[in-house]
Amino acid sequence: GIQVEQSPPDLILQEGANSTLRCNFSDSVNNLQWFHQNPWGQLINLFYIPSGTKQNGRLSATTVATERYSLLYISSSQTTDSGVYFCAVGVTDKLIFGTGTRLQVFP
Amino acid sequence: NAGVTQTPKFQVLKTGQSMTLQCAQDMNHEYMSWYRQDPGMGLRLIHYSVGAGITDQGEVPNGYNVSRSTTEDFPLRLLSAAPSQTSVYFCASSYAGQGFYEQFFGPGTRLTVL
Repeated sequence: GIQVEQSPPDLILQEGANSTLRCNFSDSVNNLQWFHQNPWGQLINLFYIPSGTKQNGRLSATTVATERYSLLYISSSQTTDSGVYFCAVGVTDKLIFGTGTRLQVFP
Repeated sequence: NAGVTQTPKFQVLKTGQSMTLQCAQDMNHEYMSWYRQDPGMGLRLIHYSVGAGITDQGEVPNGYNVSRSTTEDFPLRLLSAAPSQTSVYFCASSYAGQGFYEQFFGPGTRLTVL
């Protein structure tokens, strides 16, 4: 089956720093989503981005479907950005999750 | 518009007990699915439904049953709970094929099996 790999697995930042999270996938996909799981376990939709670039405030995402990767950019990080970031790819009727990047932002 | 709701939020079971996790959505979504999340891991698909009366298996279906009698509800049944089923369970819904459309997740049910 399709493999979804995220890097880095862990990231520690000081408030105000920028970061880039990467998601690689091993086969063609129909869609790609980025989620943030906050420290209370809630999954929050960040982007639905099968291709191209989207921006939402301090966050932006780019998916290059032909090269099978997606990037999530976080600028001017805040402590509330802490948690785990997942990418998930859509294949036929299934959504397959990566193992996530755990982000810790310190004041 | 409540989105996707799940009950209960927490549950403790003894090995061998059965129970049903409830999931409901008010967005008139055709597709609904159940995932489990184990510590330090991503979500894995248990079962999914493409519409009322239609269900199918995901990656890890063993030990779980589902049914879809209405568009709004998609309960997950544990037939005989085992410690390996200790996990956080998430329900999700989407307008159509989850491989194609944006997924919306419920708040999760944390299950412990002793």
